[in-house]
Amino acid sequence: DVVMTQSPLSLPVTLGQPASFSCRSSQSLVHSNGNTYLNWFQQRPGQSPRRLIYRVSNRDSGVPDRFSGSGSGTDFTLKISRVEAEDVGVYYCMQGTHWPPYTFGQGTKLEIK
Amino acid sequence: EVQLVESGGGLVQPGGSLKLSCAASGFAFSASAMHWVRQASGKGLEWVGRIGTTGKSYTTAASVKGRFTMSRDDSKNMVYLEMNSLKTEDTALYYCTGDAFGLGDSWGQGTLVTVSS
Repeated sequence: DVVMTQSPLSLPVTLGQPASFSCRSSQSLVHSNGNTYLNWFQQRPGQSPRRLIYRVSNRDSGVPDRFSGSGSGTDFTLKISRVEAEDVGVYYCMQGTHWPPYTFGQGTKLEIK
Repeated sequence: EVQLVESGGGLVQPGGSLKLSCAASGFAFSASAMHWVRQASGKGLEWVGRIGTTGKSYTTAASVKGRFTMSRDDSKNMVYLEMNSLKTEDTALYYCTGDAFGLGDSWGQGTLVTVSS
């Protein structure tokens, strides 16, 4: 199974400052069809997960443009350009290239400093 | 508006069975694979299984293989997770989720399964 490793596990950030989340996979997530199936999810306290980014860098509908995804191969990053209070929660990366199983990272908890 | 509504959770004894349902609306359900993902209290997300568009095949995680089965009824826009031989470690909030551009474009509110004697 592909292991997804996120860092840091906790990320205190001042409002208005940028935030960066790292996700590394145990093997390349480039599919034989050329696509890279790496998604990012946000889970606010007490809520269901919400997908922010699919296939590395594509923002889902309604996701603010302060969120951006990048990376390739085994190394991926989610960035928030300016953190707002509503961004508090846990962020998960997930791979869908080498399934089964689909595998999630352990999550990074964003909190306001 | 895309909507997924799970139901069927509850308290069940170890070794027991439960069938979860997920009602979908607002998108082309019959053309979409569907997934179940679970989350134990205070823990991360764990993929449980995926059912394809025809409903003739599904794939489950190793942790539930042989105990959980998935099915769908496209005439009712429903997907199901039948859980047998339940273990205490199956206790979790179970989410139904879609598969537009990959897993997780839409999520339900989840249904809680508690396995305890």
